[in-house]
Amino acid sequence: KQEVTQIPAALSVPEGENLVLNCSFTDSAIYNLQWFRQDPGKGLTSLLLIQSSQREQTSGRLNASLDKSSGRSTLYIAASQPGDSATYLCAANNAGNMLTFGGGTRLMVKP
Amino acid sequence: DGGITQSPKYLFRKEGQNVTLSCEQNLNHDAMYWYRQDPGQGLRLIYYSQIVNDFQKGDIAEGYSVSREKKESFPLTVTSAQKNPTAFYLCASSTAGLYSNQPQHFGDGTRLSIL
Repeated sequence: KQEVTQIPAALSVPEGENLVLNCSFTDSAIYNLQWFRQDPGKGLTSLLLIQSSQREQTSGRLNASLDKSSGRSTLYIAASQPGDSATYLCAANNAGNMLTFGGGTRLMVKP
Repeated sequence: DGGITQSPKYLFRKEGQNVTLSCEQNLNHDAMYWYRQDPGQGLRLIYYSQIVNDFQKGDIAEGYSVSREKKESFPLTVTSAQKNPTAFYLCASSTAGLYSNQPQHFGDGTRLSIL
């Protein structure tokens, strides 16, 4: 059974820092790896989806990488801003868009 | 605007009561999902449906029931058999298919509490 772990569970950084969020998964037979953002009391917003054949995806200041063989994905946020404060969740898709979620990383960017 | 609407935003349940959470989407998606999120944790799958009139149990289906009579709607009933229902419930939808590479779209959730 797929298990997804995110480290760290919480992170506080000053504005302007570049930062990396980590996601690891136990079953490498995935179709894709998805990163989501969740604001307090809200649903999830899709940030990036990396297909199994891809190594990375970029959207603005966000870059996500995927290393299937080692069971790892990272989300890189450049020049962090207070508006980036949220919980970031990764999810592994093994079949039929059935997602297994990690516990999330709660990010606080201080002005 | 296309999206997913969950209602109500907050819901309170009394002992022995069944309650139903509503989820409606106008994205023309075939697949719909219900997740439960406990404080500080990720999402766990309760039920999912890949097509109208068909649905499957997820990892934590006990104490819950669903129906999928219309493509747009996927209501979740939290029954009295669910002994620890206090949580944040999220509904999602996506294009269907075993090899779907489209992200799931989420509603804004319903927070259920026990009176």
